[in-house]
Amino acid sequence: DAGVIQSPRHEVTEMGQEVTLRCKPISGHNSLFWYRQTMMRGLELLIYFNNNVPIDDSGMPEDRFSAKMPNASFSTLKIQPSEPRDSAVYFCASSLGEPQHFGDGTRLSIL
Amino acid sequence: AQTVTQSQPEMSVQEAETVTLSCTYDTSESDYYLFWYKQPPSRQMILVIRQEAYKQQNATENRFSVNFQKAAKSFSLKISDSQLGDAAMYFCAYRSYVTGITGGGNKLTFGTGTQLKVEL
Repeated sequence: DAGVIQSPRHEVTEMGQEVTLRCKPISGHNSLFWYRQTMMRGLELLIYFNNNVPIDDSGMPEDRFSAKMPNASFSTLKIQPSEPRDSAVYFCASSLGEPQHFGDGTRLSIL
Repeated sequence: AQTVTQSQPEMSVQEAETVTLSCTYDTSESDYYLFWYKQPPSRQMILVIRQEAYKQQNATENRFSVNFQKAAKSFSLKISDSQLGDAAMYFCAYRSYVTGITGGGNKLTFGTGTQLKVEL
């Protein structure tokens, strides 16, 4: 079975541009999570969905960040406008109970 | 809020030897899960082992085992017969159940990680 699929694997863009990260969870999983990993702050939960509904978005850093899950097989994390401090690895994970299964992450670099 | 502390930023072990990575956590909950994840240079997050708090028996997965001390809120990972492929960043994580306006779900809180080096 395919794991969690994230795209793109790498993204380099200029400050001010809109960035969209994509995630396809494992089929049958009902929870989806977005994490951000930086050297300074480690792994942080940004937002998670249960049955396509956002449950907790308290980790979203600011209004420039938004996440959607239009259906059970797709989610996006959007940053608009992007800033250099948004540079990080962004992970998507999904689960049906335990444990969470992670995608390979998107390395985002904002110049 | 739950916190997870990994006090060893870096550890080294000789191939075939045993190493123990430390993790402590803070919680007021009685039922929860604890995990160790491994992140090699490829940056994948790979589940190593998990422990349910209500189970007194320590979890084991082949060469990996944990020492779960619930009263002390300690959850250490022991790697036996270390191999070169074990070299990675290891993260301890605590799973709590949280509820929001629209429902509930599981949330992982991670420690800062321990970088494990395996030497020949």
